[in-house]
Amino acid sequence: EIVLTQSPDTLSLSPGERATLFCRASQSVSASYLAWYQHKPGQAPRLLVYGASNRATGIPDMFSGSGSGTDFTLTISRLEPEDFAVYYCQHYDSSRGMYTFGQGTKLEIK
Amino acid sequence: QVQLVQSGAAVKKPGASVKVSCKASGYTFTNYGIIWVRQVPGQGLEWMGWISAHSGNTNSPQKFQGRVTMTTDTSTSTAYMELRSLRSDDTALYYCATNKSPRLGIDHWGQGTLVTVSS
Repeated sequence: EIVLTQSPDTLSLSPGERATLFCRASQSVSASYLAWYQHKPGQAPRLLVYGASNRATGIPDMFSGSGSGTDFTLTISRLEPEDFAVYYCQHYDSSRGMYTFGQGTKLEIK
Repeated sequence: QVQLVQSGAAVKKPGASVKVSCKASGYTFTNYGIIWVRQVPGQGLEWMGWISAHSGNTNSPQKFQGRVTMTTDTSTSTAYMELRSLRSDDTALYYCATNKSPRLGIDHWGQGTLVTVSS
């Protein structure tokens, strides 16, 4: 079973700063099935990036994803107040038909 | 536009069952599967399972096997997730979601259904 470990658990930054969030898989995974989500209280999760580096529809280019193998990154280039939320990486294991989420990174205002 | 509308909040006693519904609109229901995800308070997102709206095939992690049943009613474009033998740690916000392909991420979500398990 693939385990996704996100770091850090909490990231404290100020608006205008750059945020870098990490997701490490317990074994090499296909980047084609790696996605990132933003989740705010009282709202459904919002897809940001799919295929490790492709922005979802309507997602501004301040969000970017990268990575391959076991290590993936979500970067938010310049934080806006509305970007403070919990972020999750997610992988789909196509050989077993199973989804896995990382434990999440809470991005909080410093 | 794709919409998933879930049933309302439920309060259940330990040992009982809960059945959450998810009504889809804005697309051909049988073209895509329905994914179920939950969030226990204070914890992260947890995948509970997937059902093909076309074939009815399902898959779920071992943790939920034997306790969760996912079904669909193609006549009403509605998916259902039943969780049995509820425990207090099943108190969570339950989401249904869908996507065109796992390669494209999970791009459409229901609003969530809060299930509270309490004696």
